[in-house]
Amino acid sequence: DAKTTQPNSMESNEEEPVHLPCNHSTISGTDYIHWYRQLPSQGPEYVIHGLTSNVNNRMASLAIAEDRKSSTLILHRATLRDAAVYYCILRQSNSGYALNFGKGTSLLVTP
Amino acid sequence: DAGVIQSPRHEVTEMGQEVTLRCKPISGHNSLFWYRQTMMRGLELLIYFNNNVPIDDSGMPEDRFSAKMPNASFSTLKIQPSEPRDSAVYFCASQRGGNMNTEAFFGQGTRLTVV
Repeated sequence: DAKTTQPNSMESNEEEPVHLPCNHSTISGTDYIHWYRQLPSQGPEYVIHGLTSNVNNRMASLAIAEDRKSSTLILHRATLRDAAVYYCILRQSNSGYALNFGKGTSLLVTP
Repeated sequence: DAGVIQSPRHEVTEMGQEVTLRCKPISGHNSLFWYRQTMMRGLELLIYFNNNVPIDDSGMPEDRFSAKMPNASFSTLKIQPSEPRDSAVYFCASQRGGNMNTEAFFGQGTRLTVV
């Protein structure tokens, strides 16, 4: 029951901004949009989350479409360390507060 | 805080043996999640607890798997008997509160190999 759709892979140059898209057309009004990433050989790591408004933190920015059917994770200046699999996840009230991962987007950063 | 602590980091066992994976959540966190990750199936949520009570165990693959949380600072995931197809990386995560508006913190995982 995939709730989000992401590209399988993306590539970016180091020190360039990266925009990672996510479609979630079946989102409901109380669903939160979460982003996690997983670096090679590590556990997933929280990046950012939001409900309706755009969000910024030290790692990234989250831009949420006005209709909430899509969102974009923005890494303002990619580094080699940002190479990871990025997961866009809906935390839905009708499934408790489970954190269910899909396939994610594998981001390659080249020097 | 040391973060979510999982042990052991690596486990190799023979088919048919009992395996116990351990997790210590971050102090003050009252929700705990167990995941399994394989190349074929990705990250699968097995079970999660809130205040030591299982909330949803629908992801537990079969009766050979069981999870317990006897207190707020410790959880176990047991496989008995183990099979080669159980080989995977098992992650534990914890968060403060039982809600959607918070972040979860993951451990480094236990790599299980069943031969």
